[in-house]
Amino acid sequence: QQQVKQSPQSLIVQKGGISIINCAYENTAFDYFPWYQQFPGKGPALLIAIRPDVSEKKEGRFTISFNKSAKQFSLHIMDSQPGDSATYFCAASSRGYNFNKFYFGSGTKLNVKP
Amino acid sequence: NAGVTQTPKFQVLKTGQSMTLQCAQDMNHEYMSWYRQDPGMGLRLIHYSVGAGITDQGEVPNGYNVSRSTTEDFPLRLLSAAPSQTSVYFCASSYSREGYTFGSGTRLTVV
Repeated sequence: QQQVKQSPQSLIVQKGGISIINCAYENTAFDYFPWYQQFPGKGPALLIAIRPDVSEKKEGRFTISFNKSAKQFSLHIMDSQPGDSATYFCAASSRGYNFNKFYFGSGTKLNVKP
Repeated sequence: NAGVTQTPKFQVLKTGQSMTLQCAQDMNHEYMSWYRQDPGMGLRLIHYSVGAGITDQGEVPNGYNVSRSTTEDFPLRLLSAAPSQTSVYFCASSYSREGYTFGSGTRLTVV
């Protein structure tokens, strides 16, 4: 049973458009939610992260929206560029002893068309 | 600074063979983890360590062993390889849970 559910599996967006990837979780102990970006043949790289005490975090063209009551969070990529074409993973971890145990979503392959 | 170095990059094993995937980091990070990546499954945690001499199990630990004798190294041992262990393996390290750096991966095929 996957602890973090991610959708869609794949996404095609035109250059300049907005890419939106959604994740949902059940475990209310989760208190840290990072997003990772992975290019083919490379390891994932931390993109942006959020804690549940804020509803939104923005870094450049990347924004995380967080809905604590719905237990959902999403990544928005504004003005999407072909260079953003990659696989994106959401993840979550909880406070306490297991803080280094990350649970990842299944990934979204983004293709930005020029 | 090399970051997180994984060796080998590619490996083919026969069922039943054992091997060790190497992971080394030069950032003096306390926290290190091993993940496997399978299509449609995302990354799943195998084992992790919060410091030299301290390891713990992740989501999918069966068939794998780890040890952490130094801060720099965190090898992953496959005891008796099975086709179900065909995957891409990633090692990661961090100074906190908020800054994990991943290696470039080891692609393992078990035939």
